[in-house]
Amino acid sequence: AQKITQTQPGMFVQEKEAVTLDCTYDTSDPSYGLFWYKQPSSGEMIFLIYQGSYDQQNATEGRYSLNFQKARKSANLVISASQLGDSAMYFCAMREGGGYNKLIFGAGTRLAVHP
Amino acid sequence: DGGITQSPKYLFRKEGQNVTLSCEQNLNHDAMYWYRQDPGQGLRLIYYSQIVNDFQKGDIAEGYSVSREKKESFPLTVTSAQKNPTAFYLCASAKTGTSGIDTQYFGPGTRLTVL
Repeated sequence: AQKITQTQPGMFVQEKEAVTLDCTYDTSDPSYGLFWYKQPSSGEMIFLIYQGSYDQQNATEGRYSLNFQKARKSANLVISASQLGDSAMYFCAMREGGGYNKLIFGAGTRLAVHP
Repeated sequence: DGGITQSPKYLFRKEGQNVTLSCEQNLNHDAMYWYRQDPGQGLRLIYYSQIVNDFQKGDIAEGYSVSREKKESFPLTVTSAQKNPTAFYLCASAKTGTSGIDTQYFGPGTRLTVL
């Protein structure tokens, strides 16, 4: 079974608008972490934001925020005030407890920001 | 500047040849990882190492080998036993600790093509 599901293969948004990228996850481990990475066309994976399973508040990092709904097992990324440079692939990843920090990645969502 | 370097950026291999991909980090991170990315897919873990002289297989280790003789270096060898080696290879490192997020940071990647 898929542990990380990103249901949107592609999304587009108008510059300066907000966009939400969906991510659902599946785990029975009470201790886990959720990550979002950005992959521009150059290929490098850039860390954006992290949410721990025990964190009480939704994570925020600048224009990025994570809409964490634990009961629904969703961790959607919200990008506010989109910029042309936000055009990239976005990957959601999960780390389960266990000590060796293994990340499980979703298939990604390609975001295109239009002027 | 601290970071992770991978070389070469592009690599071409003839069938039946072994090739070694370099990964170096100067972040003083204990853990290092190798991932493979195929077109339109997320990353899959090949090998990881938590400390020097120790490493473990990930989800798709067949046809690959690694070594960890130094903290800074984690080279990956793609052997002739790997049936479909054409892919994008990403190296990552993380600081491990008892209370940290242990975020994985990635290098720029190596694109391997088998001719």
